[in-house]
Amino acid sequence: GENVEQHPSTLSVQEGDSAVIKCTYSDSASNYFPWYKQELGKRPQLIIDIRSNVGEKKDQRIAVTLNKTAKHFSLHITETQPEDSAVYFCAAIYNQGGKLIFGQGTELSVKP
Amino acid sequence: EAQVTQNPRYLITVTGKKLTVTCSQNMNHEYMSWYRQDPGLGLRQIYYSMNVEVTDKGDVPEGYKVSRKEKRNFPLILESPSPNQTSLYFCASSNLQGGTEAFFGQGTRLTVV
Repeated sequence: GENVEQHPSTLSVQEGDSAVIKCTYSDSASNYFPWYKQELGKRPQLIIDIRSNVGEKKDQRIAVTLNKTAKHFSLHITETQPEDSAVYFCAAIYNQGGKLIFGQGTELSVKP
Repeated sequence: EAQVTQNPRYLITVTGKKLTVTCSQNMNHEYMSWYRQDPGLGLRQIYYSMNVEVTDKGDVPEGYKVSRKEKRNFPLILESPSPNQTSLYFCASSNLQGGTEAFFGQGTRLTVV
């Protein structure tokens, strides 16, 4: 069945350190993997995504890597800042089914 | 402005009193879905729709109904709300082709007493 596991559930880092969040998915048919950031009291918003034909994608301080063989993907945030504090969700989508399945979320806290 | 609009933002109701949460998008998206967000459980999908008159159950559909009579609207109906449906609800929409960004509504915080 369709499932996305996300770890860790909470992550605390010092400002300037890196943060890594990992996700695994169950269905090898998944071909699109977005990451969403949800600030306190707000809606989730897309921050970066990756498709199955790409192994890595970067956008300034954030990057996502995908290992299709192992069925896992990760979010990397470098030089963290207090405004990076939020809940981050990974997700996997199935092109044919159209279902977007989310991980359980990671609460990231960046301490100044 | 491209957006997904949910109403109401906040709702307190009593057990058994039918309610509807509306969701509307102006981006001509085929795909719309409803999620509930609970602490430690992430975003769980309730129902989704791939086009007009096409709906399907997500992971937690019990106690909910939806309809998709028009492309832009996807209301969530609770026929007989119970306290375990107290949650934060999000509607989202996206294009179906190739996997694209899902846009979320502002959220509806529902309390059933």
